[in-house]
Amino acid sequence: DTGVSQNPRHKITKRGQNVTFRCDPISEHNRLYWYRQTLGQGPEFLTYFQNEAQLEKSRLLSDRFSAERPKGSFSTLEIQRTEQGDSAMYLCASSFQGASGNTIYFGEGSWLTVV
Amino acid sequence: AQRVTQPEKLLSVFKGAPVELKCNYSYSGSPELFWYVQYSRQRLQLLLRHISRESIKGFTADLNKGETSFHLKKPFAQEEDSAMYYCALSGSGGSNYKLTFGKGTLLTVNP
Repeated sequence: DTGVSQNPRHKITKRGQNVTFRCDPISEHNRLYWYRQTLGQGPEFLTYFQNEAQLEKSRLLSDRFSAERPKGSFSTLEIQRTEQGDSAMYLCASSFQGASGNTIYFGEGSWLTVV
Repeated sequence: AQRVTQPEKLLSVFKGAPVELKCNYSYSGSPELFWYVQYSRQRLQLLLRHISRESIKGFTADLNKGETSFHLKKPFAQEEDSAMYYCALSGSGGSNYKLTFGKGTLLTVNP
């Protein structure tokens, strides 16, 4: 499968611990996104990278959240001092901005449960 | 602010019946509209986009700017259409990077 790859797929952590998720986008996609999805809701935008530059962060992304995309390839999303409210599915997506538009492809997501 | 509303959380139809999943949006500009689908145990995937004006798996959607709607339609539903459907919106041009999703409609097609 050459789609967007995320790991770990599931993570259970204790409140107050730090967690890190990794995303490998589709090769040569210059844009990478993180979304969060909770039960009964659609995905909500968190942040967006164009190559290695983080160009926008949602207000949902508190200072406990940090995302990086070194060298414009894979990305990591770290959550520090996790809280129960952080329990959600974290979705990564990627796209290539070109003449034909910007079709966004999603990964399978990483489930986070904070206990 | 951009907003997408899908008024139906659940929609149940019988195989062979027409189906329409409603989507209304709010956006101050020229949006791009999309329908994404998520089948059981699969990732979210693009079904269609209004710019393409194409029919995918028998589904069509027309952007109605006057009514700010982008309803998804299929004349004869199939059991394999059972899935979660999300309507999404982005800006156009340089603002086309951020998708705003509705809450989704779970479609069940009964045999």
